[in-house]
Amino acid sequence: EDQVTQSPEALRLQEGESSSLNCSYTVSGLRGLFWYRQDPGKGPEFLFTLYSAGEEKEKERLKATLTKKESFLHITAPKPEDSATYLCAASDPIQGAQKLVFGQGTRLTINP
Amino acid sequence: DAGVTQSPTHLIKTRGQQVTLRCSPKSGHDTVSWYQQALGQGPQFIFQYYEEEERQRGNFPDRFSGHQFPNYSSELNVNALLLGDSALYLCASSLATGYEQYFGPGTRLTVT
Repeated sequence: EDQVTQSPEALRLQEGESSSLNCSYTVSGLRGLFWYRQDPGKGPEFLFTLYSAGEEKEKERLKATLTKKESFLHITAPKPEDSATYLCAASDPIQGAQKLVFGQGTRLTINP
Repeated sequence: DAGVTQSPTHLIKTRGQQVTLRCSPKSGHDTVSWYQQALGQGPQFIFQYYEEEERQRGNFPDRFSGHQFPNYSSELNVNALLLGDSALYLCASSLATGYEQYFGPGTRLTVT
């Protein structure tokens, strides 16, 4: 069964303290690994898509990387406005559809 | 360029009632997916519509049904509501030829 697991469940950092979030997946025929940011009570906001092992994408203080079994979201010198839940999802294209299998998310808090 | 829109924003229903949620996809997108997100969890795939037909369905009972209209907008219907149906319902749109899904703000459904 397809599975996506994120760790840690929650992470509290001081402003400027860099860290990484982990996403491990077991999805046969992976067609993409996605990172989203979700603020409380709102819909997920698209951040990155990674398609193949070794690929990296960057946006401001965030960098996403992908291996054959996991993905990392690196946060460099975070600011309080980076506080949110970060969701990882794997695309499982069964029967032509584009089902996303999500992890449970990592709740990130950046203290000033 | 309008993103994904959903209505209503919030909804309170009584156990046993029926509810209809609506979604308009991002301009240019032709595929709509619906997800259920319980508090503190990642979104769970309900089903996906393309060309007015259901392409794939997740592990949800037949009480959950949907429809896609010729203008690509979509509805999610839930019959015989249970307390456990209380959640944030998310609509995501994409291109049939792509894998990236963009989410709307969600509809918060509370069943009492």
